[in-house]
Order: sequence, then structure tokens, then C-alpha cells
Amino acid sequence: DSGVTQTPKHLITATGQRVTLRCSPRSGDLSVYWYQQSLDQGLQFLIQYYNGEERAKGNILERFSAQQFPDLHSELNLSSLELGDSALYFCASSVEGLGNQPQHFGDGTRLSIL
Amino acid sequence: GNSVTQMEGPVTLSEEAFLTINCTYTATGYPSLFWYVQYPGEGLQLLLKATKADDKGSNKGFEATYRKETTSFHLEKGSVQVSDSAVYFCALSELAAGNKLTFGGGTRVLVKP
Repeated sequence: DSGVTQTPKHLITATGQRVTLRCSPRSGDLSVYWYQQSLDQGLQFLIQYYNGEERAKGNILERFSAQQFPDLHSELNLSSLELGDSALYFCASSVEGLGNQPQHFGDGTRLSIL
Repeated sequence: GNSVTQMEGPVTLSEEAFLTINCTYTATGYPSLFWYVQYPGEGLQLLLKATKADDKGSNKGFEATYRKETTSFHLEKGSVQVSDSAVYFCALSELAAGNKLTFGGGTRVLVKP
């Protein structure tokens, strides 16, 4: 058990819809990362938050947004969903967001767009 | 930008065989290097890490040495078990790149009894 909790585990929805994925980091971790895992793109970094502030952005679409709340949990919002958004979305956390610190991953949310 | 290249799988082995998964990287600075493992239906688990040149990471019988001269971080295990069947990801992070993890494509390993 990594200590990172992601909900829901599975999400099935239709094109054009909007969903919210939730992540609770490990106790004491201030930094949260979101990644997308798909068959064609592999594991891609989306966005990072540190103590409520956005720190780094990766290959995140404009239809996607995220935030980190004062209690340090984070949400990833995906809107105007397309078939290609079907993927496994992982949240990871680390203590301070420094490069030499390992990131600890949740079990992911599997998003299926019908 | 940064990138990680690892050997494509699947790699199929018999139990007690020697495993090696090659990983090479490209980075502009001095990255930290990681191996993560993903078991079926689960998230990624940190297997081992190395933060500077010549460091050796080790865990559960797996080892990898940070080789700056060859920009490599090959994963090895001397005697694999069926329970080692999983997908293995090599990754790097770098302060200059915002500490995000850049992953290789993953290598599926299947160990047969």
C-alpha cells in the first residue's frame, strides 16, 4: 500500500461529458503529480502541484484542469471527453517535489469513454 | 528534452534465470534515476533508485547502477521468480525539468515455472 488513494477506481462515461478524478496523497507529502497511461502514448506527465500551487505542466490538454486543495488532496477535471481520453490516470505524491525524492503512486483511475 | 529508452518486451524467462533489462537516458543535467514495477491491475511501485553517478540501487534482489559515462541504468536480477512477472519502467527526474518523471516505454517480463 503506497498510501496514495485515488477514487474512483473505474469510470465509464460518454463523449462530451465531464468527470472529476480525486487523489489523496500520502500523509506528509506536499507535492502531487498526475500522469496518464495509454497504450499509444505510454506514461505521460500531466501536471504537478506543490502545497496548493501549480509547479509544473506537461502534456495536459486545455480541456483538462487540476487543483490542489488546502487539505492537500487534488482533483483532475476532464471535460468535453473524447474517445482518445480513455486511459489509466495515476496520481503520485512526494514529500517536497524534489527530483531525487521518489514519487509514490496510487492504483489509478481507469477511464473508459464510450 | 529528456528521454528514456528501454528494451522492448516481452521478455520471457524460466524461473531462476538471470534477468537484465537495458535502460539508457538522455538528460541535459544530472538526473535521478528510478525503476518502477507495475503488477497486473495495480499502480506503479518504486523498485529502486539512484541519485548520482556510480550509485547502485538495490531492492528485493534487483540491482541497477547509475552509469554516467554510458548514460545507462540497466536493471538486473540474478534469479527470477514467477512472482517477478510484471511490467518494469525505467524513469528519470531532473530539477531543471520540474521534477516530473520521464518514463521509458516499459518492459513486460514473464517468468514461467
